[in-house]
Amino acid sequence: AQSVAQPEDQVNVAEGNPLTVKCTYSVSGNPYLFWYVQYPNRGLQFLLKYITGDNLVKGSYGFEAEFNKSQTSFHLKKPSALVSDSALYFCAVREKPGGYQKVTFGTGTKLQVIP
Amino acid sequence: DTAVSQTPKYLVTQMGNDKSIKCEQNLGHDTMYWYKQDSKKFLKIMFSYNNKELIINETVPNRFSPKSPDKAHLNLHINSLELGDSAVYFCASSQESGFQGSPLHFGNGTRLTVT
Repeated sequence: AQSVAQPEDQVNVAEGNPLTVKCTYSVSGNPYLFWYVQYPNRGLQFLLKYITGDNLVKGSYGFEAEFNKSQTSFHLKKPSALVSDSALYFCAVREKPGGYQKVTFGTGTKLQVIP
Repeated sequence: DTAVSQTPKYLVTQMGNDKSIKCEQNLGHDTMYWYKQDSKKFLKIMFSYNNKELIINETVPNRFSPKSPDKAHLNLHINSLELGDSAVYFCASSQESGFQGSPLHFGNGTRLTVT
């Protein structure tokens, strides 16, 4: 069965500093990996995905993620954090049972960017 | 021009009542989902429909019954509400046919409080 782990409940970073939000995954085949962001009282918004190809994936709002197959990781990164990046971030993995997707989400990491 | 819209946004009701949540997407997607987010922000899939056909049905009490009148709508009816049903329910959609790695598009959620 597929699974996703986000080992940090919360990450604090000073504004302007680089940020990393960690994610590791477990799937039986090739993974489809996603990052979503959730602002208070809103639904999740898609940030970026890895399907195949380059290990470094660029997404919305200056975020990027690095796929590392040997470490089964897909960490989210940003070179310079903004206060407005403060939100809840979810890593997700997808497999296709019976030909249709089933997405499993991690437990979420709260990012706090300190002014 | 909201892509995935849910109604109502808030729902407060007493134990034992029956309630419905409606969802509509105008993205032309062929697949829709219901997710439950609990108080710890953990997200779990409940149901998924592809072109009005139920394709994912996780371990959800029989009191929860989804209905998809067409591929743009997915409603959730809950009978005999219990305290433990209190959560935020998210509708989502994606395009599965002919598209690998389609991200999910979420509505803004329905906060259900059972008293």
